[in-house]
Amino acid sequence: DIVMTQSPDSLAVSLGERATINCKSSQSVLYSSNNKNYLAWYQQKPGQPPKLLIYWASTRESGVPARFSGSGSGTDFTLTISSLQAEDVAVYYCQQYYDTPFTFGPGTKVDIK
Amino acid sequence: EVQLVESGGGLVQPGGSLRLSCAASGFTFSNYAMSWVRQAPGKGLEWVSTISGSGERTIYADSVKGRFTISRDNSKNTLYLQMNSLRAEDTAVYYCAKNTALGGSCYSAQDYWGQGTLVTVSS
Repeated sequence: DIVMTQSPDSLAVSLGERATINCKSSQSVLYSSNNKNYLAWYQQKPGQPPKLLIYWASTRESGVPARFSGSGSGTDFTLTISSLQAEDVAVYYCQQYYDTPFTFGPGTKVDIK
Repeated sequence: EVQLVESGGGLVQPGGSLRLSCAASGFTFSNYAMSWVRQAPGKGLEWVSTISGSGERTIYADSVKGRFTISRDNSKNTLYLQMNSLRAEDTAVYYCAKNTALGGSCYSAQDYWGQGTLVTVSS
């Protein structure tokens, strides 16, 4: 199974400042035949279902604010919130869909400092 | 507007069975793979199962393989999860989710999620 790890477990950032979350997979999730990284990022607020933010590691889902961006390739990925807003307080998960079982990272909790 | 509405959750004894349903609307159901993802109380997300758009391909997490069966009725725009031999560790909110890839590939992210249905396995 591909193991997904995230760092940090939690972080507190001042409003308007940058938040950076890292995700690492135990093996590459880059499919060479189409040069796509099978990696997604989700946001989950308390009492709500997850919301897709980013797929193919860097493609922003329709309607997601431009302050959210994804980067990385192979085994190392980053979700960046360029200017943290109050409504961004949530837990963020990465997920690989390269190989079954599709696995999620443990989550990173983002709070306001 | 895409809508996914789960039903069928509840309290069941260990060893019992339950069938979850997910009614989908707002998109061409048969064109997309569908997934079940669960979340135990206070825990993270765990992928459970995915079925292709046609229903021909199904994949499962090892933790549920042989006990759970995913299926779909494209004429009714409904996704199902038959859960047998339930264990305490199956207690979770179960989310139905639509996969992103047009064409029904299982290897895609989940772009729309239902509100979830709670399954509690306890005596």
